[in-house]
Amino acid sequence: NAGVTQTPKFRVLKTGQSMTLLCAQDMNHEYMYWYRQDPGMGLRLIHYSVGEGTTAKGEVPDGYNVSRLKKQNFLLGLESAAPSQTSVYFCASTSSVNQPQHFGDGTRLSIL
Amino acid sequence: AQSVTQLGSHVSVSEGALVLLRCNYSSSVPPYLFWYVQYPNQGLQLLLKYTTGATLVKGINGFEAEFKKSETSFHLTKPSAHMSDAAEYFCAVSDGTGGFKTIFGAGTRLFVKA
Repeated sequence: NAGVTQTPKFRVLKTGQSMTLLCAQDMNHEYMYWYRQDPGMGLRLIHYSVGEGTTAKGEVPDGYNVSRLKKQNFLLGLESAAPSQTSVYFCASTSSVNQPQHFGDGTRLSIL
Repeated sequence: AQSVTQLGSHVSVSEGALVLLRCNYSSSVPPYLFWYVQYPNQGLQLLLKYTTGATLVKGINGFEAEFKKSETSFHLTKPSAHMSDAAEYFCAVSDGTGGFKTIFGAGTRLFVKA
């Protein structure tokens, strides 16, 4: 079972560059989430989606955009990368809020 | 609004000792509660969950947690620590009122000494 797959696993960008992180899940989950994890700050929600074609802002959405054109995919975009966006990014999915979230292994992103 | 507080960013125990990781939550309605574990360079994995029913919940790897409504707590315990338990642990709460979101605590890193 693949579960939640994130690509790429590692990336180094220069300030001002753009990139897209891809999340794919094969569990037919409605809800998908993007988090960032920084030391001592736990997980912070960037954006989330409650179904195909829908997106909503989380706790720290500035500087990021998302799209959910297909139910199984949730894309996170950085239009103009900044050093403050250096972090580990996790994607997660679930079928319902009373069910646990399934996480990918993360994307480690460094902005120089 | 939902919130989660994990007491202690770091906990150190000796191998074979009791593990106790504390979690307190706030929620305006009956919550759904979760504990996740994160090993280095991996994503979070579910340890156990409480939704309804029995307040003592058993999870994987010998962990268990008790939902105490009067104390708004969901502490994680394991009778005897093993070296392989060294990891970061996250408590999380959702109750459906946060727009389908789950709120995670800041995490507690568990160290196990030989």
